[in-house]
Amino acid sequence: QVQLVQSGAEVRKPGASVKVSCKASGNTFSGYYVHWVRQAPGQGLEWMGLINPNSGDTNYAQKFQGRVTMTRDTSISTAYMELTRLTSDDTAVYYCASLDDFDYWGQGTLVTVSS
Amino acid sequence: QSALTQPASVSGSPGQSITISCTGTSSDIGGYNYIAWYQQHPGKAPKLIISEVSNRPSGVSHRFSGSKSGNTASLTISDLQTEDEADYYCMSYTTTGTLFGTGTKVTVL
Repeated sequence: QVQLVQSGAEVRKPGASVKVSCKASGNTFSGYYVHWVRQAPGQGLEWMGLINPNSGDTNYAQKFQGRVTMTRDTSISTAYMELTRLTSDDTAVYYCASLDDFDYWGQGTLVTVSS
Repeated sequence: QSALTQPASVSGSPGQSITISCTGTSSDIGGYNYIAWYQQHPGKAPKLIISEVSNRPSGVSHRFSGSKSGNTASLTISDLQTEDEADYYCMSYTTTGTLFGTGTKVTVL
């Protein structure tokens, strides 16, 4: 059984960057893409993009292109999502997830952007 | 399109059936058969309850069912239970990636 374990909460100032990690335990990254989804306080789910852990290919939502970078390190079964030029609107819980029938989700990482 | 359109809230009494709609376009719901529904309780990660329009993952109650017609997908919850009170999100593959619905809060009266 795969578990996705994310890094801890982060606090950043406006204009800064944040990098969130997502480590797969159990069966590593075999057979699924890693998607990143965020949820602002009291708001809905927002798809940010995905990375194919095998090839490293990415597909970003248009809204985040130029500001998000998704990478992976297969040697440690970890995916990363870096978001730059943060504003208060980026305050949210960030999830990594498989978004398929496996239904793997990380526990979420709260990123707070505040001066 | 920034999000698929769902009603903000739906309510029903225990034992009743409710239906949540999810409206998109031919570039998402109308063009793909990967439509999923997620249930999210407060403070928890979402949980998959329907995949590929109408498939129920193992362990999901048979009271949940999904369908699609044209550019609109629907989730029906039959025999509504108190534990069904949660937020529900539809999700669709699109020509450019993946898109979630605006979310529907289900209240059990």
